[in-house]
Amino acid sequence: QVQLVQSGAEVKKPGASVKVSCKASGYAFTSYGINWVRQAPGQGLEWMGWISTSNGNTYYAQKLQDRVTMTTDTSTSTAYMELRSLRSDDTAVYSCARGAPLDIWGQGTMVTVSS
Amino acid sequence: EIVLTQSPGTLSLSPGERATLSCRASQSVWSSYLAWYQQKPGQIPRLLIYGASSRATGIPDRFSGSGSGTDFTLTISRLEPEDSAVYYCHQYGSSPQPFGGGTKVEIK
Repeated sequence: QVQLVQSGAEVKKPGASVKVSCKASGYAFTSYGINWVRQAPGQGLEWMGWISTSNGNTYYAQKLQDRVTMTTDTSTSTAYMELRSLRSDDTAVYSCARGAPLDIWGQGTMVTVSS
Repeated sequence: EIVLTQSPGTLSLSPGERATLSCRASQSVWSSYLAWYQQKPGQIPRLLIYGASSRATGIPDRFSGSGSGTDFTLTISRLEPEDSAVYYCHQYGSSPQPFGGGTKVEIK
């Protein structure tokens, strides 16, 4: 079936980086873009950005564009999101989601930033 | 950059009642590329409505969407207990693609 499976939970110290993976299966990976969305505890959904899986073009939310990089590996149908210079307010569940609208979501990856 | 404002913040209704959720955009949403998602506690969001008014696969017909331009509405015609959730609107017609702040629907 169509699914996105993400990497496991991470605990990082302030100032570190985290890289979350999102492996697609059940469909043609390069036919849909991948979005990344995060949700801090008790808060709403925040769109982080988007990557075209066909040509690698990206669009990042302005508040994150200096710290985030989204990439893909089409040979393994996997998308990646790296966030650098982590702060405590980056503590959140990070999710990948397919296409526009976001019709298939990964299970989410909890990233905890704590000293 | 488009900003989406949802109202009300919380809606408390009884089973069988009608729920009307609003999403207002700060500028026109291109080609009505407006979606609604349902998120229950501890779960990932689920796509309900796309293109402002089209139901996603498997979504019951008590959920309907309407609107265009800057004003959009999600209607749940007859609330059921399992509809208790937070509902988010999202514009995907142009980047950046913000979400609204959400409306929490509580079932009495």
